[in-house]
Amino acid sequence: GENVEQHPSTLSVQEGDSAVIKCTYSDSASNYFPWYKQELGKRPQLIIDIRSNVGEKKDQRIAVTLNKTAKHFSLHITETQPEDSAVYFCAASMGGNEKLTFGTGTRLTIIP
Amino acid sequence: NAGVTQTPKFQVLKTGQSMTLQCAQDMNHNSMYWYRQDPGMGLRLIYYSASEGTTDKGEVPNGYNVSRLNKREFSLRLESAAPSQTSVYFCASRTTGQVGPLEQYFGPGTRLTVT
Repeated sequence: GENVEQHPSTLSVQEGDSAVIKCTYSDSASNYFPWYKQELGKRPQLIIDIRSNVGEKKDQRIAVTLNKTAKHFSLHITETQPEDSAVYFCAASMGGNEKLTFGTGTRLTIIP
Repeated sequence: NAGVTQTPKFQVLKTGQSMTLQCAQDMNHNSMYWYRQDPGMGLRLIYYSASEGTTDKGEVPNGYNVSRLNKREFSLRLESAAPSQTSVYFCASRTTGQVGPLEQYFGPGTRLTVT
């Protein structure tokens, strides 16, 4: 089955700086890659996703890049703000496949 | 529109006791999921149901059973709880298919402690 590795497990950045979280996946058939944000004590919520037919997708301060050849994808957050502090999870699946495989999460802390 | 709801929010069990976690969604989704979340291990899939009347094992199904009661409801049962089942349990749902949104919507979670 699919295996998703996520790094780093913790990340601290100064407010206003950029943050990058990286994931690798094992199944070359995977074609859907979402990112979820989970604030302390809350449920995970989708913040951005990308399908394998594009290499990059942006939504305001967040962007995701995908390298299918290397089987890795990354989340980029620019101009970080205190409300970006949370745990971020990457995931992968074959688009119509019902199952998502999640990475182990990155705890992002924004230092004021 | 409540989205995905779960009951109870918290539960403490003794080893060997049984209980059922309830999940319901009002978004007319076909697919529903149960995950457990443990520190440092992300979200691991226990069971899922692609449609009413079907269920399939996920990554960590041992010690659990599920029932897709109808399109709205998907329950998770622990027949004989063990301390290793102490975790936060999330239910999720999404639409089915390869086109359109694939977002999974999560419930608020159930924090279970087994002593």
